[in-house]
This record gives sequence, C-alpha cells and structure tokens, in this order.
Amino acid sequence: DIQMTQSPSTLSASIGDRVTITCRASQSISSWLAWFQQKPGKAPKLLISKASSLESGVPSRFSGSGSGTEFTLTITSLQPDDFATYYCQQYNGYSWTFGQGTKVEIK
Amino acid sequence: EEQLVESGGGLVQPGGSLRLSCAASGFTFNTYWMTWVRQAPGQGLEWVGNIKQDGSEKYYADSVKGRFTISRDNPKNSLYLQMNSLRAEDTAVYYCARDVGTTWGQGTLVTVSS
Repeated sequence: DIQMTQSPSTLSASIGDRVTITCRASQSISSWLAWFQQKPGKAPKLLISKASSLESGVPSRFSGSGSGTEFTLTITSLQPDDFATYYCQQYNGYSWTFGQGTKVEIK
Repeated sequence: EEQLVESGGGLVQPGGSLRLSCAASGFTFNTYWMTWVRQAPGQGLEWVGNIKQDGSEKYYADSVKGRFTISRDNPKNSLYLQMNSLRAEDTAVYYCARDVGTTWGQGTLVTVSS
C-alpha cells in the first residue's frame, strides 16, 4: 500500500503568514492527490484535487503543487478561518490513503 | 443542493454487526463512485473503501477487508456499509463521500464497546 507522510504535524502561524504543508508518497502517484481542510466536529472539505486543481468556491490563497512523490499545499496569507487540520489523500489505483494530518494553530 | 446523510450508527458489542446507510440527493447518484471514510476519536482520517457506479467493483482497506461490505442501491440513491465482527478499534465517526471527497455527509458515530 502507498504510505503518505505529511509534515509538519503541527504548525504555529500568525494571520497573514505564508504557510506550506508537505506531503510525500512512498511511491509515485502521478498527480492523484487531494487536499482537505477539517474543522473540529465537521466533515472534511475538499480544497484541491489532482494536486493543483482548486475546487470551486475555495479562496485563491490556497494552492497545490507537485507530482510523483512530493506535493505541497500553500496558503499565501493565512486568515482566521484557515486555522484547521489539513490532510492530503492519494487516490492512485484502488487503495486510497490519507496523510496523518497537519494542524495549523494560532501563534 | 448536493447532500449526503448517514444513519445507522450506535453502540454495538465487540463481535457484533451494524449496517450504515447513506442517502444521497441533489446529484445523479448512479454516475459516481462512492466512498466510506472513518475517523477514530481524536485521530486522523482513514479510507475504508469505495464502490463503482454500478457496484461491479469494490475496494477495501486492509483493516476492514473480509469484515466490511460496501453496497449500493441506485434506484434508492443509497449507499450502505455492512460491518461484521466489529472490534473496539472500529470505533469512529463514519462518513460517506462522493468519489474522492467532493461531497461529504455529516458522519455517524459507531461505538464498539461492551
């Protein structure tokens, strides 16, 4: 099975900061990667699919990049609504896996 | 509005069974893969499995293979998760989702405990 490793596990940042989260796959997944945002007690929300395709309605401060085994989620100017946990998910083939999550906290 | 609503969660004893349902509305259900994802208390997301549009293909995480079965009833716009031989480690909120996660339900809590 493909393993997904996210870093960091926790990130402390201030409003307006540029934030980058990294996700590494144990083998190539081409661009079959999604990023989700989850807030406490809520279902995850899809932000980005196919590594860099922003979902409709998601603010443009979110962007994704990468292919193969290395991927990044970038938030260009952190807003109060962005404090949450972020997950990557690979969906290459028939067995999907999530990263362990990155919690973005207020500094 | 696209919507998924899970039901069927609750408390079950170890070794027991439970069937979760997911009712879909607001989109053409029979044109999408459907997915189950779970989240243990305070933990991350875990993909459970998914099912093709016509039900002809199903895939499962190793942790549930042989114990859980995904099915769907397209005329009823419904997705199901039959869970057998439940263990304490299956305790989680279970979400249904459309394909890779474009739409999610609110989740239903399954607690496995004696």
